[in-house]
Amino acid sequence: QKEVEQNSGPLSVPEGAIASLNCTYSDRGSQSFFWYRQYSGKSPELIMSIYSNGDKEDGRFTAQLNKASQYVSLLIRDSQPSDSATYLCAVDNYGQNFVFGPGTRLSVLP
Amino acid sequence: DTEVTQTPKHLVMGMTNKKSLKCEQHMGHRAMYWYKQKAKKPPELMFVYSYEKLSINESVPSRFSPECPNSSLLNLHLHALQPEDSALYLCASSQETGEFASRFFGPGTRLTVL
Repeated sequence: QKEVEQNSGPLSVPEGAIASLNCTYSDRGSQSFFWYRQYSGKSPELIMSIYSNGDKEDGRFTAQLNKASQYVSLLIRDSQPSDSATYLCAVDNYGQNFVFGPGTRLSVLP
Repeated sequence: DTEVTQTPKHLVMGMTNKKSLKCEQHMGHRAMYWYKQKAKKPPELMFVYSYEKLSINESVPSRFSPECPNSSLLNLHLHALQPEDSALYLCASSQETGEFASRFFGPGTRLTVL
């Protein structure tokens, strides 16, 4: 049974701080990883994908992947109240499906 | 055009009704998906179409019937649903199936079964 775990949350950070969202996965053979943001009542929106070990930056977002530790994270710099949402980690299951984590709810306090 | 559209936004139906959900994308993607999402849960895969052929059916009850008329359109036909089928139904697309294919989601249809 492939599993993806995330911080249970909710995670609260003050405006301007760095929010750190973590995700671990059980299948060592997984190759591709995705972060989605989902506002309440809306659909998931792709933030970024990462396939190689190391960091990948896009604006205020940085994804970090460590395949040896089976760990992927998302850092949000200069957090804004508009970043308050649920963040879903998704791990591709050999091209057949995504395995989603349960999501971490982030609250950025003004 | 870089979006997936879905209609209707909201749907209320009785257990004896027949209705359809529609999804459209004009990104030239060759894979399309139906997901179901219950409150406070992640999306659950229902069906995958690749090059207009059904490639994955995640043991979905037959009261849900998918159809892919062409590479841009995906329908989900609903019949004799149960109240527990009330959920947000999400359509997604990707360039291809495969390990490195980002899925792009539509806005969803909020379905209520009375």
